Amino acid sequence: EAQVTQNPRYLITVTGKKLTVTCSQNMNHEYMSWYRQDPGLGLRQIYYSMNVEVTDKGDVPEGYKVSRKEKRNFPLILESPSPNQTSLYFCASSLRKGLAGEYFGPGTRLLVL
Amino acid sequence: AQSVTQPDIHITVSEGASLELRCNYSYGATPYLFWYVQSPGQGLQLLLKYFSGDTLVQGIKGFEAEFKRSQSSFNLRKPSVHWSDAAEYFCAVVDGYSSASKIIFGSGTRLSIRP
Repeated sequence: EAQVTQNPRYLITVTGKKLTVTCSQNMNHEYMSWYRQDPGLGLRQIYYSMNVEVTDKGDVPEGYKVSRKEKRNFPLILESPSPNQTSLYFCASSLRKGLAGEYFGPGTRLLVL
Repeated sequence: AQSVTQPDIHITVSEGASLELRCNYSYGATPYLFWYVQSPGQGLQLLLKYFSGDTLVQGIKGFEAEFKRSQSSFNLRKPSVHWSDAAEYFCAVVDGYSSASKIIFGSGTRLSIRP
């Protein structure tokens, strides 16, 4: 079954404690991206990757890092989380450029205290 | 600045009635356009997409959208809604000329269905 998986699904942490949200896809897609969703703001793109070792910033990259060492994985790293990063995060993958997110993961709800 | 506007925050329609959700964009010469649906507590699902060609695009679940360049619009339509269509709908745009995959989403329209 084609899917994008994210872990963890729910996370409560404290300010400054580094965390990683994993994202994995089983479709051999080249394009992967991360989004955050906040009430009234819709989805905003954090980072995207066009292939292994190729990443670029989206609209709201501050406070986040990503890496793409393998095609299937695209982890999102918060080196020093702050309360304003409390949000719902989605990972997505797609086969072709511009599709943004043909498949979305189920989301990770993060609370930073 | 590039932007996507969904002017209706919340719409309520009766089951069986027709639906049109509005989307306007301010973007480059070659926009790639998308509509997504998000059910409560779920991730996003791609309904349909427009890259080029026929300006009337058919999607899943009986939805369609029409690209009107002169109006910078990409409105989503369905002739007869079902209770299961209650969800939030997002319009999104990508700059087709760019080699990148940067996307802008609208703020969403929440659809409620009246029995």
